[in-house]
Amino acid sequence: EIVLTQSPGTLSLSPGERATLSCRASQSVSSSYLAWYQQKPGQAPRLLIYGASSRATGIPDRFSGSGSGTDFTLTISRLEPEDFAVYYCQQYGSSGTFGQGTKVEIK
Amino acid sequence: QVQLVQSGAEVKKPGASVKVSCKASGDTFTTYGISWVRQAPGQGLEWMGWISAYNGNTNYAQKLQGRVTMTTDTSTSTAYMELRSLRSDDTAVYYCTLGATVWGQGTLVTVSS
Repeated sequence: EIVLTQSPGTLSLSPGERATLSCRASQSVSSSYLAWYQQKPGQAPRLLIYGASSRATGIPDRFSGSGSGTDFTLTISRLEPEDFAVYYCQQYGSSGTFGQGTKVEIK
Repeated sequence: QVQLVQSGAEVKKPGASVKVSCKASGDTFTTYGISWVRQAPGQGLEWMGWISAYNGNTNYAQKLQGRVTMTTDTSTSTAYMELRSLRSDDTAVYYCTLGATVWGQGTLVTVSS
């Protein structure tokens, strides 16, 4: 089973700053089947990125994904107030494991 | 626009079974697979498995093999997730999702004696 490790656990930033979130896989993720989700308290997750770098419908272009193989990154170019949330990566090439999440909090 | 509506909250005793339903509106039910994801209180997301509404193929998380069964009823565009031999650590909000873009509202399952 592929294990995903996200870092950091918590990211403390101010609105307008750049956020860089990491997701590392224990083995190569096939065909870049890597997705990123945003989750706010009491809400279902929201798909942001699929295929490692493709934005889902309606997702602002300040969100971008990159990477391949075992190392993936989600970048939020300029944090808006509504971006403070928990972010999860998920690989869906071999079953569908999630990372443990990164919380982006207001500094 | 497709929506997923899940069944209501459940309280179960340890050792019992629970069956959660997920009804889709719209006509894309057989186009995408339905995945089930759960989230224990204050914890992260856990992928439980996937079922193709087109042909019934399933792929379950190794951890839940033998305790979980996912099914679909295409006549009513409804997916079901049954979890057996419930334990206290199965207490969680259970979500269904269609193609990862449409999510149900979640169903809280509480396992308590």
